[in-house]
Amino acid sequence: AQRVTQPEKLLSVFKGAPVELKCNYSYSGSPELFWYVQYSRQRLQLLLRHISRESIKGFTADLNKGETSFHLKKPFAQEEDSAMYYCALSGNQAGTALIFGKGTTLSVSS
Amino acid sequence: EADIYQTPRYLVIGTGKKITLECSQTMGHDKMYWYQQDPGMELHLIHYSYGVNSTEKGDLSSESTVSRIRTEHFPLTLESARPSHTSQYLCASSDSGGENIQYFGAGTRLSVL
Repeated sequence: AQRVTQPEKLLSVFKGAPVELKCNYSYSGSPELFWYVQYSRQRLQLLLRHISRESIKGFTADLNKGETSFHLKKPFAQEEDSAMYYCALSGNQAGTALIFGKGTTLSVSS
Repeated sequence: EADIYQTPRYLVIGTGKKITLECSQTMGHDKMYWYQQDPGMELHLIHYSYGVNSTEKGDLSSESTVSRIRTEHFPLTLESARPSHTSQYLCASSDSGGENIQYFGAGTRLSVL
């Protein structure tokens, strides 16, 4: 079965602390993995995807096929990182619908 | 400006009413999607369309229906709303090119009394 698991519902850290939002997936084939973010009162938007291998707002995520994981990391959290983060996967065909995890709320306090 | 629009943003309605949630995009995308999200839960795909006159049901069973008569418009209809339909409905679109990036509307929060 295709599934995305985000084990933490809430992650609270202090400003400047490292952050790791966990994501594990189950998919038969080669999926595309994404992280979407929803800031307060804003719409859901793409943060990054594994294909682009880029760092966005200091966040990175590496696809580990052996562990079927796509954890989101940032070395030093900022208060403006507080948001809801969703891990998602799709099949490797363009335009395939997304399968989402339940999301993790990241709260960064000073 | 290229964007994806959903109306209304909030809707409170009585049981048994027929409602249509509107979704339009000016991004020139072929593919459009409807997701349902209950509070604190994941998004579930309920309908998708890969082009005009093409609609499919998603993973989550839904009593709603959709139509795709024009590329830019993908409305969702509930013939008879029930309290179990109370949820947030998100519309998204993506193009048919190599980038599999979905762009989301602001959502419609529906409450059925």
